[in-house]
Amino acid sequence: DAGITQSPRHKVTETGTPVTLRCHQTENHRYMYWYRQDPGHGLRLIHYSYGVKDTDKGEVSDGYSVSRSKTEDFLLTLESATSSQTSVYFCAISEWRNTEAFFGQGTRLTVV
Amino acid sequence: ELKVEQNPLFLSMQEGKNYTIYCNYSTTSDRLYWYRQDPGKSLESLFVLLSNGAVKQEGRLMASLDTKARLSTLHITAAVHDLSATYFCAVELGGGADGLTFGKGTHLIIQP
Repeated sequence: DAGITQSPRHKVTETGTPVTLRCHQTENHRYMYWYRQDPGHGLRLIHYSYGVKDTDKGEVSDGYSVSRSKTEDFLLTLESATSSQTSVYFCAISEWRNTEAFFGQGTRLTVV
Repeated sequence: ELKVEQNPLFLSMQEGKNYTIYCNYSTTSDRLYWYRQDPGKSLESLFVLLSNGAVKQEGRLMASLDTKARLSTLHITAAVHDLSATYFCAVELGGGADGLTFGKGTHLIIQP
């Protein structure tokens, strides 16, 4: 497996609370991505990063923010969690732009 | 907006049979990826198809890409139970954006 660690692996939180998910990689890949997976939707891109402090929005970025202060870490923050953000979140990395992506184990987030 | 459509979305088949999963996409792209996902697990990269006419094979799986038709196929030969999983195709977002657009996935069940 590519060296990608997501934490936490499972989280239950209340509506309105802030939540931060972490993705840590040991591959020194430049690109990192956050996707969410929901039944019937496949995976959808939330945000991505193409370098330290360089990030951009994906298809479903509303309600999410990201930060990348180090090459190895990419954080996804839900500023005020809503029930619609209940999902499985996957981090992915790739060495270069639009090359093969490798996925972390996922974080199952439940907002109650 | 890039659309990626897989069909079928659900497939139940018997061991020993052959079948093909189709992936159509709506805009020009020269790169297409196939992933496998087991229940509750991460996504595993199966094939990276980088040009028109590309064909790759691994065991009982063979993937091909026709960029002119905007079509990729994943062919299963003499299916075995261990191939039961959900299969996703994914295409580059393009237009200067990074990341992938995924199909909704094909849930494949192979029965003895």
